[in-house]
Amino acid sequence: QLVESGGSLVQPGGSLRLSCAGSGFNFGDYEMNWVRQVPGKGLEWVAHISARGNVKYYVDSVKGRFIISRDNAQRLLLLDMNGLRDEDSGLYYCARDLIGGDYGMGLWGHGTTVSVSS
Amino acid sequence: QRVLTQPPSVSAAPGQRVTISCSGYKSNIGDNYVSWYQQLPGTAPKLLIYDNYKRLSGISDRFSGSKSGTSATLTISALQTADEADYYCATWDNYLNAPHWVFGGGTKLTVL
Repeated sequence: QLVESGGSLVQPGGSLRLSCAGSGFNFGDYEMNWVRQVPGKGLEWVAHISARGNVKYYVDSVKGRFIISRDNAQRLLLLDMNGLRDEDSGLYYCARDLIGGDYGMGLWGHGTTVSVSS
Repeated sequence: QRVLTQPPSVSAAPGQRVTISCSGYKSNIGDNYVSWYQQLPGTAPKLLIYDNYKRLSGISDRFSGSKSGTSATLTISALQTADEADYYCATWDNYLNAPHWVFGGGTKLTVL
């Protein structure tokens, strides 16, 4: 399973670190993602990281502000969020890619809520 | 970065069949595999279909996926009230050599 934590209320311009703990599978074998959702709206992919952590991709709106990383020994996926804006508010899910040449996000956490407001 | 286009809503009666379309571009759907997700109210998304048409283990065979060119379709047959949910398509996009996942805007399925 995947369990996210770290979401909270933060002022615009502030910083936050989200964590996602993986269990029940070999965490270091899987590529991982952060996906967010504003309540009542659709899903938006935020960032992706390779299994070893050496390849990272981001949605344009967070480039230069968010950093995705992972600690495979601790089975943790992280998202460091800086320069937060109102539009970064939402429920943040971590999601595990499928393995073995298949494409899809096969396992999702329940999400952690980020609220950016003054 | 471009989103995939889905109808905002579809509806059908129990027992009927419904299709949900997902339209994109060569850089996303045209060149990559499509996956489909079901999000029941108040819950996290769940993968239904991956690699265009493969069902995740445990997913009912009432759910099927297909792809043609730059469009994909999710078909749900023998509709049940429990199928009422939001459905999202997703795929990789290689536009301007900046790889990224892209989701459709979502389709709300109402089972009348």
